[in-house]
Amino acid sequence: DAGITQSPRHKVTETGTPVTLRCHQTENHRYMYWYRQDPGHGLRLIHYSYGVKDTDKGEVSDGYSVSRSKTEDFLLTLESATSSQTSVYFCAIQGSHTEAFFGQGTRLTVV
Amino acid sequence: AQSVTQLGSHVSVSEGALVLLRCNYSSSVPPYLFWYVQYPNQGLQLLLKYTSAATLVKGINGFEAEFKKSETSFHLTKPSAHMSDAAEYFCAVSDRSGGSNYKLTFGKGTLLTVNP
Repeated sequence: DAGITQSPRHKVTETGTPVTLRCHQTENHRYMYWYRQDPGHGLRLIHYSYGVKDTDKGEVSDGYSVSRSKTEDFLLTLESATSSQTSVYFCAIQGSHTEAFFGQGTRLTVV
Repeated sequence: AQSVTQLGSHVSVSEGALVLLRCNYSSSVPPYLFWYVQYPNQGLQLLLKYTSAATLVKGINGFEAEFKKSETSFHLTKPSAHMSDAAEYFCAVSDRSGGSNYKLTFGKGTLLTVNP
């Protein structure tokens, strides 16, 4: 398996609280992504990074922020969690001209 | 902007039958194309990829896909379904131009059911 680890794997949080999900890689890949997966929607891109401190928005970025202060870590923060953000979150890493490798996912429930 | 359409959110086949999962893409430049598989409660695993070499691409577990530029299609096939093929399959496209455009755009997925 590609060296990519997501933490936590499961989390239950209350509406209105901030939540941070972590993605850690040991492959030194340039590109890192956060997706959310919901039934009937496939995977939708939240934010992505193409280098340290270089990030950009995906198609469903509202309510989320990211940070990448070093190559190996990409953090996703839900600034004030809402029930609509209950989902499974996947991190992916990618080198240039290669496929993306995915983490095992984080199941987040907002109550 | 690139997009991916997977025809059929659910495909059901009998064990031993042909598997055909359809994928059409739109992209302004010749793309990279991928098929991923997801088993329950797991992450996505790469099945195969097209990166401009041969148009017929062979992947793991007996799957293959053919890139047809004229039809903007990248359909996934397997001659004989096995029970272990039951999973959700995702087609994805990535721009070749690099920079931020390497990001993958996914289809909505096709759930494959294999009946005994």
